[in-house]
Amino acid sequence: DTEVTQTPKHLVMGMTNKKSLKCEQHMGHRAMYWYKQKAKKPPELMFVYSYEKLSINESVPSRFSPECPNSSLLNLHLHALQPEDSALYLCASSQERGPGELFFGEGSRLTVL
Amino acid sequence: GIQVEQSPPDLILQEGANSTLRCNFSDSVNNLQWFHQNPWGQLINLFYIPSGTKQNGRLSATTVATERYSLLYISSSQTTDSGVYFCAVVTTDSWGKLQFGAGTQVVVTP
Repeated sequence: DTEVTQTPKHLVMGMTNKKSLKCEQHMGHRAMYWYKQKAKKPPELMFVYSYEKLSINESVPSRFSPECPNSSLLNLHLHALQPEDSALYLCASSQERGPGELFFGEGSRLTVL
Repeated sequence: GIQVEQSPPDLILQEGANSTLRCNFSDSVNNLQWFHQNPWGQLINLFYIPSGTKQNGRLSATTVATERYSLLYISSSQTTDSGVYFCAVVTTDSWGKLQFGAGTQVVVTP
């Protein structure tokens, strides 16, 4: 069983909706990540948090807003998304930001209508 | 940035067969991981192997960091081995950024 938990597993939203994806880990990791994966493609990094501070933003549009309320939780707030934002959103964590092993959640599959 | 190339892109195996997947990378790495993505999308950690050889059941992996490649061996394949296998690396100048290869799609037939 994965120790990184993502909710919801599936989400359908309209372009005017506001929704959030949630991620939780209880491994004591201090780095957390959001990745986006389109069909038939590898995951692509969106954001990295280290010790609850945003350390990497891969030029992600502002309609995606990350938040790290504490060391165990990571949210991704979604607003005014486009149909091309439909994808699998993967959360991951690692002990520290750096070369260590990453562990991924099961993903949240988002459809934007 | 670093280039991560996986081969072959697609692989069809009969149940019970053995196979080797390859990952070439263009720069020195501090982290190399192999993942199996199941049909539901979950990325399952197979190996964390920046160098050396590891084995886990029917799977094993070898990374030769000085020659910039890693190999994943699947022995006695089973239908549950089907899915996409990704190699991913972190370089010294991309701290915390796991860069994925394009993946190898594996189909194991009964």
